[in-house]
Amino acid sequence: EAQVTQNPRYLITVTGKKLTVTCSQNMNHEYMSWYRQDPGLGLRQIYYSMNVEVTDKGDVPEGYKVSRKEKRNFPLILESPSPNQTSLYFCASSLTQEGVGYEQYFGPGTRLTVT
Amino acid sequence: AQSVTQPDIHITVSEGASLELRCNYSYGATPYLFWYVQSPGQGLQLLLKYFSGDTLVQGIKGFEAEFKRSQSSFNLRKPSVHWSDAAEYFCAVGRASNFGNEKLTFGTGTRLTIIP
Repeated sequence: EAQVTQNPRYLITVTGKKLTVTCSQNMNHEYMSWYRQDPGLGLRQIYYSMNVEVTDKGDVPEGYKVSRKEKRNFPLILESPSPNQTSLYFCASSLTQEGVGYEQYFGPGTRLTVT
Repeated sequence: AQSVTQPDIHITVSEGASLELRCNYSYGATPYLFWYVQSPGQGLQLLLKYFSGDTLVQGIKGFEAEFKRSQSSFNLRKPSVHWSDAAEYFCAVGRASNFGNEKLTFGTGTRLTIIP
């Protein structure tokens, strides 16, 4: 089954304790992206990656890191989480075609609480 | 800067009634437009998309949307809603990234409640 998986689905942590949220897709997609969803703000892009070793900042990258060492994986790293990073996080992936828009496939989400 | 506005935060309709969710965008070129739906506790699922051609696009679950360039709008419609349509709906616009491909900007969403 074609899918995007995220782990963990739920995480409660304390301020300053480094954490990683994993994202994996089995569709051989080049493009992967991380979003955070907050009430009243919709989804905002954190980072995206066009392919292995190619990443760029989205609209709200502060406090986050990413890496893309394999095509299927795109982990989101919070080196020193803070309470304002409490949010619902989504990973997404898609094919990329020159000059044509694309459909993004979303993972189930990771609910992160930082106390 | 590109932006998407969904002016209705919450809409309540009766089951069987028609539905229209509004979406307005700001973009400097021809946009790629999308509607996604998020059911409670779930991820996002694509309902439909517009890239070019016919401005009335059909999607899944009986939804359709019409692109109106003159009004910068991409409203979502359904002639008769079902209780299972209760969800949050997001409009998104594709815009150019540093790599020449599109990345999405989402609206803030419209929550749809269905009453019997």
